[in-house]
Amino acid sequence: DAKTTQPPSMDCAEGRAANLPCNHSTISGNEYVYWYRQIHSQGPQYIIHGLKNNETNEMASLIITEDRKSSTLILPHATLRDTAVYYCIVRVANFGNEKLTFGTGTRLTIIP
Amino acid sequence: KAGVTQTPRYLIKTRGQQVTLSCSPISGHRSVSWYQQTPGQGLQFLFEYFSETQRNKGNFPGRFSGRQFSNSRSEMNVSTLELGDSALYLCASSEGQGSNQPQHFGDGTRLSIL
Repeated sequence: DAKTTQPPSMDCAEGRAANLPCNHSTISGNEYVYWYRQIHSQGPQYIIHGLKNNETNEMASLIITEDRKSSTLILPHATLRDTAVYYCIVRVANFGNEKLTFGTGTRLTIIP
Repeated sequence: KAGVTQTPRYLIKTRGQQVTLSCSPISGHRSVSWYQQTPGQGLQFLFEYFSETQRNKGNFPGRFSGRQFSNSRSEMNVSTLELGDSALYLCASSEGQGSNQPQHFGDGTRLSIL
């Protein structure tokens, strides 16, 4: 699976948009970009995923660059409950190879 | 829909014992994966089951095993426990196989070995 690079930590003011970057310069054409977050003492929570196009759901938006070498997760109106470690993952499209490989992620702190 | 349910939430064992952890996937999900999370190694893949068959396995010793039942519920077993097995064990389920199927995690079982 392609390696991802994320900043180790970020701060964001409550109510503002949180923009979390991820570099995946070695991504292959059939690899999906996934985002998860983990709040202390809980399991990782699925946020969103995409292949080529930008995606939006009730939690966040995912912007993938045209060359697919980087992406940005956007939390439009951050709240204190969004404080967590955010993981960007690229996932190969091999049927039967279902494992997720998590890196060290970005620790996002929402400031009141 | 109820989420992924793992039991028990906390477990304390001693070296040499064995343990069985349980996972009930989201209703309708047929694929179940298990992961081990430790502060030093992060989140590591153990194995994945689909339709009662192990389809993928990580780099863990044979002391770690699992199974899946016909209702998709899964168990993992660790025998001859070692201190290094202390970790958060996470189960994740997805509707089927394929990288366009998100895995949804439970809150894990925290296993402590004394």
